[in-house]
Amino acid sequence: QKEVEQNSGPLSVPEGAIASLNCTYSDRGSQSFFWYRQYSGKSPELIMFIYSNGDKEDGRFTAQLNKASQYVSLLIRDSQPSDSATYLCAVNIRDGNKLVFGAGTILRVKS
Amino acid sequence: DVKVTQSSRYLVKRTGEKVFLECVQDMDHENMFWYRQDPGLGLRLIYFSYDVKMKEKGDIPEGYSVSREKKERFSLILESASTNQTSMYLCASSLSRQGVEAFGSGTRLTVV
Repeated sequence: QKEVEQNSGPLSVPEGAIASLNCTYSDRGSQSFFWYRQYSGKSPELIMFIYSNGDKEDGRFTAQLNKASQYVSLLIRDSQPSDSATYLCAVNIRDGNKLVFGAGTILRVKS
Repeated sequence: DVKVTQSSRYLVKRTGEKVFLECVQDMDHENMFWYRQDPGLGLRLIYFSYDVKMKEKGDIPEGYSVSREKKERFSLILESASTNQTSMYLCASSLSRQGVEAFGSGTRLTVV
């Protein structure tokens, strides 16, 4: 089992819709969770992080964490074509205190 | 904004060559990282450093070494380049040990 798993996609949503990106992780003791956006040919950029169960909102982005079920989600409201990118989930694995990345989900927002 | 600068955007090297990838950050971050990114595999941690002169192996350190003589500079060394080291290499830095805050623009290395 991979430590951090994401559906590779592509996930296609129409402009203005809510995009929902999901990530599951294997280490139950993980404490911190991150979402990055990576445009084609570019390096990843940090969107947001979440440490506590529940929701965390930042503009059009909402991160949701459920430690009991070991999943973390990223919701993008009012999706725009400029949101089309690969979204990487990363989890700080307790063993070794290191950040482990999922392979990413490709999001396509169609106008 | 944090700026992480990688010295080369593209490199082509021959098998067996010793390769140096340089990375400099300008935000006085203690923590620096080297990842490689391959299609379908995501980012994998090669080495990291939480302090000058300190280095720790990541998940795939074989065939690599690092140097951190100054706080702002973290170099990745391929001792004897091989074709399976053809990849995108990303340097990163962070104030916190919990996550990575900023990545460099990457070095696409091709070993022929």
